[in-house]
Amino acid sequence: DAGITQSPRHKVTETGTPVTLRCHQTENHRYMYWYRQDPGHGLRLIHYSYGVKDTDKGEVSDGYSVSRSKTEDFLLTLESATSSQTSVYFCAIRPWIAGSTQYFGPGTRLLVL
Amino acid sequence: AQTVTQSQPEMSVQEAETVTLSCTYDTSESDYYLFWYKQPPSRQMILVIRQEAYKQQNATENRFSVNFQKAAKSFSLKISDSQLGDAAMYFCAYRSEGVGGSEKLVFGKGTKLTVNP
Repeated sequence: DAGITQSPRHKVTETGTPVTLRCHQTENHRYMYWYRQDPGHGLRLIHYSYGVKDTDKGEVSDGYSVSRSKTEDFLLTLESATSSQTSVYFCAIRPWIAGSTQYFGPGTRLLVL
Repeated sequence: AQTVTQSQPEMSVQEAETVTLSCTYDTSESDYYLFWYKQPPSRQMILVIRQEAYKQQNATENRFSVNFQKAAKSFSLKISDSQLGDAAMYFCAYRSEGVGGSEKLVFGKGTKLTVNP
């Protein structure tokens, strides 16, 4: 158990509304990631963070922004949700250990109508 | 950019039998890591096994083992004595060596494994 929680776990929203997903970790890991999972695509990286206020884009960052004001929280925001953002969103952390992998939260299922 | 390919969208195996899931990857790097993740219906991503590219010895974890062929860029997962609880999506993932948090995981599209009683 890597001590990662995501909230909400499920959300239904309407096109054009803002949505914020929260990832919370309890172990002060420096590196945090947001992925989306869609059928036929596996997991794709949206944004990642390598410290407080230090973030960078992944391969599918358009339409998403992130913030990290505290070590334990990494927020993903959809400024104006679209139906193409209907997906399952996973947060992950990576311990600062050589060769370590990422450990994932339970996921958030988002439906944009 | 690195890519990971899982050529088997679905596989099935009889309980207690052995099954092998395939994964190939493309990279120009010499140092990297490879992983297999399991995703059961609960959606939780669970690390199954990892392999460091600099190690020639294939990794094993109980009933799970890999066949790592660096020159062929192949990384298959073998599940022995399959159990009903092994039924899940399996994802192969690549991670480059490095520091700074930018060592992103690149995933394949997954293989859905069904275990028949």
